[in-house]
Amino acid sequence: AQSVSQHNHHVILSEAASLELGCNYSYGGTVNLFWYVQYPGQHLQLLLKYFSGDPLVKGIKGFEAEFIKSKFSFNLRKPSVQWSDTAEYFCAVNARTDKLIFGTGTRLQVFP
Amino acid sequence: DSGVTQTPKHLITATGQRVTLRCSPRSGDLSVYWYQQSLDQGLQFLIQYYNGEERAKGNILERFSAQQFPDLHSELNLSSLELGDSALYFCASSVGAGVYNEQFFGPGTRLTVL
Repeated sequence: AQSVSQHNHHVILSEAASLELGCNYSYGGTVNLFWYVQYPGQHLQLLLKYFSGDPLVKGIKGFEAEFIKSKFSFNLRKPSVQWSDTAEYFCAVNARTDKLIFGTGTRLQVFP
Repeated sequence: DSGVTQTPKHLITATGQRVTLRCSPRSGDLSVYWYQQSLDQGLQFLIQYYNGEERAKGNILERFSAQQFPDLHSELNLSSLELGDSALYFCASSVGAGVYNEQFFGPGTRLTVL
């Protein structure tokens, strides 16, 4: 069965620090990969997605993610975080079916 | 605002009761998905409908059922509620079906079972 692991459960950073959130999935075939963000009290929003092609994907709000097939990873990065990036971040995958399999989420707190 | 609406926003009920959660997809979207977000299970896929027909089923309990109506809105019915059903229930919609369709999420319905 497919699964997604997010090893960082809670990350605390100061503004301007760099961010990298880990995401690993288990599935041997072709996958589509997503990062969603959930700001406090709001709905899930898509940050970026990878279907095929360039493994370095750029998303909204300065986020990017790199797909490394050999490591089954899709880590999220941002060079300089802002207080407004405080949110919960979810990695998700689908493969062969439409349903999204989500990781457990990483709570990011950014302090001014 | 994703364009997906869910009602009610909050629901408080007692064990053994039955509730109905409603979702209106974005205009033009034919697929509706239901997800449950709880502290112990995380975000889990429950069920998907496409143009009125059930397309995929996930970890949905037998006490739960859903349907999609001709106007494409969907309802999730939860019956014989237990304390453990307390969770945030999200609806998402997409234009079509298939793995390449982006899913847009609604604001969720927070269900509290007392």
